[in-house]
Amino acid sequence: DIQMTQSPSSLSASVGDRVTITCRASQILNNYLSWYQQRPGKAPKLLIYGASNLQSGVPSRFSGSGSGRDFTLTISSLQPEDCATYYCQQSFSNPRTFGQGTRVEMK
Amino acid sequence: QLQLQESGPGLVKPSETLSLTCTVSGDSISSRSYYWGWIRQPPGKGLEWMGGLYYTGSTYSNPSLKSRVTISMDTSTNQFSLKLSSVTAADTAVYYCVTDFWSGYPRFDSWGQGTLVSVSS
Repeated sequence: DIQMTQSPSSLSASVGDRVTITCRASQILNNYLSWYQQRPGKAPKLLIYGASNLQSGVPSRFSGSGSGRDFTLTISSLQPEDCATYYCQQSFSNPRTFGQGTRVEMK
Repeated sequence: QLQLQESGPGLVKPSETLSLTCTVSGDSISSRSYYWGWIRQPPGKGLEWMGGLYYTGSTYSNPSLKSRVTISMDTSTNQFSLKLSSVTAADTAVYYCVTDFWSGYPRFDSWGQGTLVSVSS
């Protein structure tokens, strides 16, 4: 199985801050990497697919980058509604696997 | 707009079979665009992909669940189902049905609201 490791596990930031979450895979993914946002008590929501493609309807302050084994999710200007846990997930091979999550809180 | 809704018992006894159904609206379950899948999340923990199936009937599942998982579909009701046999307390989780959009870069682009299933005697 491909192991996905996110960092940090949690972070605290202020409104307007630039936030960066990283995800490292145990093998090369050829950009088969998605990011999801999960607000408390809600189902996850797709933000980014193919490492850098913004899902329709997702605010443009979210962006994804990276290649190979290393990927990044960036929130350019943190908003209160962005308080959530973020997961990366690989679709390069089965079984599909997720990172352990990064909790983003407001300072 | 495609919508998914899980349904099924919220409590299952150990060693029994967990059965959930996902009702699809806004698209046909015979769509060639999607696999139809299940993902679960134990309370306070991360996400685990369980498996999925295609309209042709082909299925794939997470080997970690060994042979306990069965996923099937009913085109007459536009539903697909999950069965997980021989459950233990470790199977207590919120279960989500999802669409697995497979073209290009596969991704889980629609999710049900989730249903909590507890395993307890």
